[in-house]
Amino acid sequence: DQQVKQNSPSLSVQEGRISILNCDYTNSMFDYFLWYKKYPAEGPTFLISISSIKDKNEDGRFTVFLNKSAKHLSLHIVPSQPGDSAVYFCAASGLDNQGGKLIFGQGTELSVKP
Amino acid sequence: NAGVTQTPKFQVLKTGQSMTLQCAQDMNHNSMYWYRQDPGMGLRLIYYSASEGTTDKGEVPNGYNVSRLNKREFSLRLESAAPSQTSVYFCAAAWGHRDEQYFGPGTRLTVT
Repeated sequence: DQQVKQNSPSLSVQEGRISILNCDYTNSMFDYFLWYKKYPAEGPTFLISISSIKDKNEDGRFTVFLNKSAKHLSLHIVPSQPGDSAVYFCAASGLDNQGGKLIFGQGTELSVKP
Repeated sequence: NAGVTQTPKFQVLKTGQSMTLQCAQDMNHNSMYWYRQDPGMGLRLIYYSASEGTTDKGEVPNGYNVSRLNKREFSLRLESAAPSQTSVYFCAAAWGHRDEQYFGPGTRLTVT
């Protein structure tokens, strides 16, 4: 069973507009969430994280929102730029998750069109 | 600093052959991980090492073995490769189990 789900395999957005990437999880013991960005032929790179004691974390153009009651998090990119085109993975970790290892979603491919 | 390096970048194996994927990190991180990435599946943890001298199974360990040779190096071995092991393999390192992970560039493996 998939504990972390990204139900949209792809998303296309116009440059300058907002990109919203969504992620759902099922394990209520998850308490730390991360977003990674991946370009083709490269390894994933860390983007932003949020602890379950917060509901929002901001870093420049990137904001992550956490809704614990809905077991849902989202990544907002404002404004979107062509260089943001990549695959985005959300990941979750919890103390019951065999020592805090990361569980990744399937990824969402973002395409930002000029 | 190179961060996390992986060798080789590409490999083609025949069914039944064996090989070792190498990973090294120069960040003095304690924890290291091996993932595989398959289309529509995200990244799935194969094995991890929380610290030098320890290794544990992840989500998909069957058909693989690992060695944490020292703090810097964590290798992944396929003893008898199968077509189902065709994938892109990523190694990662983190200061601790709950910290952000730094990934290598990946090894694309094809088993025919």
